[in-house]
Order: sequence, then C-alpha cells, then structure tokens
Amino acid sequence: DAGITQSPRHKVTETGTPVTLRCHQTENHRYMYWYRQDPGHGLRLIHYSYGVKDTDKGEVSDGYSVSRSKTEDFLLTLESATSSQTSVYFCAISESGRFPSGANVLTFGAGSRLTVL
Amino acid sequence: DAKTTQPNSMESNEEEPVHLPCNHSTISGTDYIHWYRQLPSQGPEYVIHGLTSNVNNRMASLAIAEDRKSSTLILHRATLRDAAVYYCILRDVNNDMRFGAGTRLTVKP
Repeated sequence: DAGITQSPRHKVTETGTPVTLRCHQTENHRYMYWYRQDPGHGLRLIHYSYGVKDTDKGEVSDGYSVSRSKTEDFLLTLESATSSQTSVYFCAISESGRFPSGANVLTFGAGSRLTVL
Repeated sequence: DAKTTQPNSMESNEEEPVHLPCNHSTISGTDYIHWYRQLPSQGPEYVIHGLTSNVNNRMASLAIAEDRKSSTLILHRATLRDAAVYYCILRDVNNDMRFGAGTRLTVKP
C-alpha cells in the first residue's frame, strides 16, 4: 500500500498486557483513522485524528487510546488488552484541503492482526 | 446517520458486466456516495465516488439515481481479480465514514 505502513502486521499477546500499533504515512495527509474489522461487524471506526495532537473518538473507542505527535505517525494503544480486542486493525489516511469534504477518499493500510490470548 | 442497504452476496461470470446495487433512502444533500472493495486478506481499496452525476473511472462506473436514493456500481467486465466484498458508503462533511457488511461478489470462470 503506497504511502502507508502498519506495524506490527501480526501480534499475539496475553490478556492484560499493553499493546501499541503504529501507522506511518508518507503522504502528508491531515486525517488519519483507526478501524477494527470483525466477522459480522464489518469495519468500525475506533478513533481518528484531524491534525497533530487533534484526535476524536469513533463508534468503538472504549479500551483504546491514540496519539499523534507527528503528522506521519498515528499510534493506537490498548492499555490492557482483552480477548474482545482480538481483531484485524486497519489504519487509513485521507487528504483534506482547506476544508473537510465528503469527497475525500480514504487510503487503507494492509492491516495488523492482533490476537489476545 | 444515513445508512446503506446492499445485498449480502452476488455472483457473476467472468468477462460479463456486474451491477452492484445500493439503497440509501435517507441520504442527505451533502452526502457523497463512496464505493470501496476489499480483496481477501487486504485492506479496503477505493473504487469510485460521486455526489449527483454518474461517474466513470478506470475501475468502474457509478450510476446515481436522480433522487439519489439509490446507486449502482458497474464493473464492465468482471475478472477473477474482482472477487471481493464491495462496500457502499455515505460520507458526510464531518468525514464520518461507516462501513456496513457490504456485498460479497463471486466471479465464476
């Protein structure tokens, strides 16, 4: 996926441990998003960022925190992982002009598969 | 929130056109209609989007009903590589994009 990299791509961890997923972009896009994808639920938005240090919650934000200290990096942290957070996590980026627009297109990363035992 | 309704699955034969329908009866005037697809074990991929007029690009065509309450993604000649889950999504000016279950397209050789 050009311009967007997720790490790690696969991780197995134990319940109660902290986990951080990283999304790195080289496109200088303003908006960055974290989604999770589970069977039967499709893609659900966890958190998003509309600039450095500017973040907001999505529809399934409980148990997750995010940080964006640089334009290119958006971190998703599970402070204490639970089995219900076993999922595939996708990062996405979106360019925005001077104003947000419904026309802006999302570019997704390849995903990070997290298993919490 | 405006929602979309798509068939769970569809089948097509290779090299034939495919018409993937989407209903969005509660669409607002500022909602853009986006289509993404997700191939197995990959992240979603942008296909096409539009507001009121029909749109064409190298991947597909998007036909939007005059009242905007429905749209159709058209793949002109399906290939085996087009087998994927296709998502029809409404995107508003607040940049909220919600993915539903999508339509799983199977392409038969």
